[in-house]
Amino acid sequence: GAGVSQSPRYKVAKRGQDVALRCDPISGHVSLFWYQQALGQGPEFLTYFQNEAQLDKSGLPSDRFFAERPEGSVSTLKIQRTQQEDSAVYLCASSRGASTGRGGYTFGSGTRLTVV
Amino acid sequence: AQSVTQLDSQVPVFEEAPVELRCNYSSSVSVYLFWYVQYPNQGLQLLLKYLSGSTLVKGINGFEAEFNKSQTSFHLRKPSVHISDTAEYFCAVQTDSWGKLQFGAGTQVVVTP
Repeated sequence: GAGVSQSPRYKVAKRGQDVALRCDPISGHVSLFWYQQALGQGPEFLTYFQNEAQLDKSGLPSDRFFAERPEGSVSTLKIQRTQQEDSAVYLCASSRGASTGRGGYTFGSGTRLTVV
Repeated sequence: AQSVTQLDSQVPVFEEAPVELRCNYSSSVSVYLFWYVQYPNQGLQLLLKYLSGSTLVKGINGFEAEFNKSQTSFHLRKPSVHISDTAEYFCAVQTDSWGKLQFGAGTQVVVTP
């Protein structure tokens, strides 16, 4: 597609519920990042994929967070047993190359997760 | 460890007035620096970036930024703002070779007539 697509746009989950957030990167993009943006804060890095390989997951806040990209395209961020502190906007970004960075990403519009 | 500090959480400005958003970073290595803009309910859009070379960087929508290595700053400026510039602005530094970004907390710019 023309841009990075994230779904759902909004998700309300009851505390303790599991959620899955989807990211469709631009076709052919090798690199994929997930960021978490709490209200009033800047985005914080969660994890990075190069094709299907998860090369960095140092930002995942707990073992309740899990991300995958099994075929090197669509990625899913899963949060188990959601807690109120998980409420945030989850942003996905992709870029064409690997090991490039330098700002060449396209961000999706994000999924706003509210845990009640 | 690298960090990014945006010194102003909110900047009110009148239409057609100039604006400056301040950003300081800490890093012991060469840096790539960025400014992103976020409109309500949208993702981040790259305004400009400093990778190397000229310390004055020009970006989209009339924005520019100056990299100052001695002061570890990367302030964003626009000489004349429009109502449509109302948005949140984030300064960021790349922290690894793959492109991981560390963002500041953001500066909300509110432009009024």
